[in-house]
Amino acid sequence: EPEVTQTPSHQVTQMGQEVILRCVPISNHLYFYWYRQILGQKVEFLVSFYNNEISEKSEIFDDQFSVERPDGSNFTLKIRSTKLEDSAMYFCASSEGSWNEQFFGPGTRLTVL
Amino acid sequence: AQSVTQLGSHVSVSEGALVLLRCNYSSSVPPYLFWYVQYPNQGLQLLLKYTSAATLVKGINGFEAEFKKSETSFHLTKPSAHMSDAAEYFCAVTSSGGSNYKLTFGKGTLLTVNP
Repeated sequence: EPEVTQTPSHQVTQMGQEVILRCVPISNHLYFYWYRQILGQKVEFLVSFYNNEISEKSEIFDDQFSVERPDGSNFTLKIRSTKLEDSAMYFCASSEGSWNEQFFGPGTRLTVL
Repeated sequence: AQSVTQLGSHVSVSEGALVLLRCNYSSSVPPYLFWYVQYPNQGLQLLLKYTSAATLVKGINGFEAEFKKSETSFHLTKPSAHMSDAAEYFCAVTSSGGSNYKLTFGKGTLLTVNP
């Protein structure tokens, strides 16, 4: 069964460093998303992406964040200068259409020291 | 804006007992509602969804949920809990915007099943 994959499963970085979180969505899906969950808090929407551009982003998704689909398979989230408060589990999701089920990856746990 | 409240961050039941996980939503437009389950070290898996068709929705693993507009609720139930149901459960509502439909999640309810 096709699934969304994410790498790495755990990333530890120093404050101020850049990190790139990687996702491989399901191959025939056209809509891509990033969510995050700070420990003990809700899963929060960050950004959605369709047709090679951002279609919606939340207030959390400031200039420190960017997304890219560098090739036909990967979907990445970059944080340019990490802060302590960026420590969270980051989930990638994809869907076939805008109203279709979103399939989630297993997440990347980001720890900023 | 839409929001979801899950009552009870932790629910503990005995194996074979009824499972009831509560979810209330707030929405100014007709919502689409979802329940996701997360097993340890795995991603979020869709259990079931309400998309304005039948108000009683059946999902995987014997779970079902009923959409009650008058109560703004979408509680998840299962008649008889199994040890394998132990996981975290998230209720979510759609929030339209742009050309995508982002999900707004509740804080989650951790279900423990005791032998």
